[in-house]
Order: sequence, then structure tokens, then C-alpha cells
Amino acid sequence: AQSVTQLGSHVSVSEGALVLLRCNYSSSVPPYLFWYVQYPNQGLQLLLKYTSAATLVKGINGFEAEFKKSETSFHLTKPSAHMSDAAEYFCAVSLGGGNEKLTFGTGTRLTIIP
Amino acid sequence: DAGITQSPRHKVTETGTPVTLRCHQTENHRYMYWYRQDPGHGLRLIHYSYGVKDTDKGEVSDGYSVSRSKTEDFLLTLESATSSQTSVYFCAITPRQGANEQYFGPGTRLTVT
Repeated sequence: AQSVTQLGSHVSVSEGALVLLRCNYSSSVPPYLFWYVQYPNQGLQLLLKYTSAATLVKGINGFEAEFKKSETSFHLTKPSAHMSDAAEYFCAVSLGGGNEKLTFGTGTRLTIIP
Repeated sequence: DAGITQSPRHKVTETGTPVTLRCHQTENHRYMYWYRQDPGHGLRLIHYSYGVKDTDKGEVSDGYSVSRSKTEDFLLTLESATSSQTSVYFCAITPRQGANEQYFGPGTRLTVT
């Protein structure tokens, strides 16, 4: 079984400041991890994914995430927030190995303060 | 763009009526999924399909059924809608076996009054 915990349902940062969205996972096998972004009234868009290659994963829109096995974490970061980053972000985990089902966290709503 | 469309995009229905939501994809993907999204719960898997006539239950399948008679269409049916099924429903696909990531449709907002 697998699960994901996103710490902080709402995060606010100033424009230009560091964005840090936290995700911790639980998995019985080495996981596949994902971050998705959802803009208002839209579907989910894949930001980045970790599939056991490099532990630092770069995604779209300047986001990156680092897989830390010892901390069971996969936090999402961006050095400098932009107004267009305001959205809801979801972390998800998959067991892989032919089991493509995803388990999602409850989401973090990111607000950018001008 | 994974070539996924959902219909209808918005629907209001009354308690006790049947409702069918359609997910259509144009790229012959084998794996398809239905999720519901509710505040504070993220996305939860309702049903999924690994091919034509090959479907299985997810974590919140009670009150829902699915059918997949063609590769391109995955139908979600609420046999007798209840207010607790008011939600936003998303369809997703996995582009290939072993890829793990999923790509999502635009969603259907369903309100049961």
C-alpha cells in the first residue's frame, strides 16, 4: 500500500520568494512520485516525476523536486515565485511495476502575494 | 494534450436519477481511470480499466459502475445519483504500460440536487 501526506493545505509566498511545498510518502516498495498542478477550473497537469533515476528532478515552469529516501520526502521547490504559479498542487505516488494506479495527496493551494 | 475529452462538462441532476459521464480519448491508450475530486480529499480513484471489458474498482466505487466496450470510450454511471456524489469528475489515461504517469481530461462538474 502507498500513501502521500502534503503538509499545509494553504501556502502563501511573496512574488520573487522561494516556493517550498512539502510531500512525504509511504510505500512498501521503491515508489514512483509525481507533482501535478491544477489551475482554476482546469484538469491536472504533470509538473514532474521521479522514477528512480536522478534524485533531483526538474520539471516545467522552473519547478524541481528532490527525492530523499531517508526522509521519505519529495518536496517541490521553485527559487522565485511568479504570480502565474498561483494554483493547487498535488503530490502523488505509484508503486510502479505494472501497477499504474496513483494515490494522491490532499493538495496544497499556493497563493502568491504581490 | 493527451487527446482526452469529457462530456458533459457541467451537469445538474436530481437525486435518484441515473447519470452517465463519458470519457473519450483519441490515441488508443489502454489504461483509463475515473477520479472524483472533493475539497480536502484530493483525487480519489473510482474505477479503472486496463482494456476493453477489463475494469476494476478503486477506493470509492460504491454507487458507481463503469463500462468500456471500445478502447476510446470509458463511461462512468451513477445508477441513482445522491447528493454525496456532487463532485468534479476527472478521467485520466496512462500513455503506455510502465509509464506510471497519468494525463487528465478537463473534468465534469456534477451537481446533484
